[in-house]
Amino acid sequence: DAMVIQNPRYQVTQFGKPVTLSCSQTLNHNVMYWYQQKSSQAPKLLFHYYDKDFNNEADTPDNFQSRRPNTSFCFLDIRSPGLGDAAMYLCATSRDWASGTHEQYFGPGTRLTVT
Amino acid sequence: AQSVTQLGSHVSVSEGALVLLRCNYSSSVPPYLFWYVQYPNQGLQLLLKYTTGATLVKGINGFEAEFKKSETSFHLTKPSAHMSDAAEYFCAVSENTGFQKLVFGTGTRLLVSP
Repeated sequence: DAMVIQNPRYQVTQFGKPVTLSCSQTLNHNVMYWYQQKSSQAPKLLFHYYDKDFNNEADTPDNFQSRRPNTSFCFLDIRSPGLGDAAMYLCATSRDWASGTHEQYFGPGTRLTVT
Repeated sequence: AQSVTQLGSHVSVSEGALVLLRCNYSSSVPPYLFWYVQYPNQGLQLLLKYTTGATLVKGINGFEAEFKKSETSFHLTKPSAHMSDAAEYFCAVSENTGFQKLVFGTGTRLLVSP
């Protein structure tokens, strides 16, 4: 089945220690998104890629970076995690906006704990 | 700017009762509207969407929603709740021009009692 895969599902890192979260998709979608979701809150968009074109949300901290080496993979790098970065990180994909379909397909998420 | 308001952070129903989760939106252009469901420690799953056409849309698991432009609403309903419906539900809106960023409501947790 075509899907969005996130690894690992649970990640523990130390305060200030860089961490990378991975997302892959078999849907061949042009657009990939990273969201941060804190407990009992709505997902908050961090950035998205339209093909290789990177788009950062205005309020996304510089501590968060992303890479998309090819269509299938996208990475979220947190350079110096703080306690406030503990959250669920969701990856999502969607088709080209010109296709007329607009829903986003989400992966299962990676829950990040910062100790 | 778009926004979504979900009335009630928690809704409790008995198994077999009607489910009604409320969503109101604000958008300067005709919106695209979505309902997503999230189970604990899982990602979001699309329940249903409205883009154009029929204003009553049917989704998975027996859910449906009606787009009412005059009321700027997109309430989610299910005639008979099942225990497995207990989850967090998010309403979202995107504008159908350019980058279709999803703006989510704050979510409603549905609790289903036996």
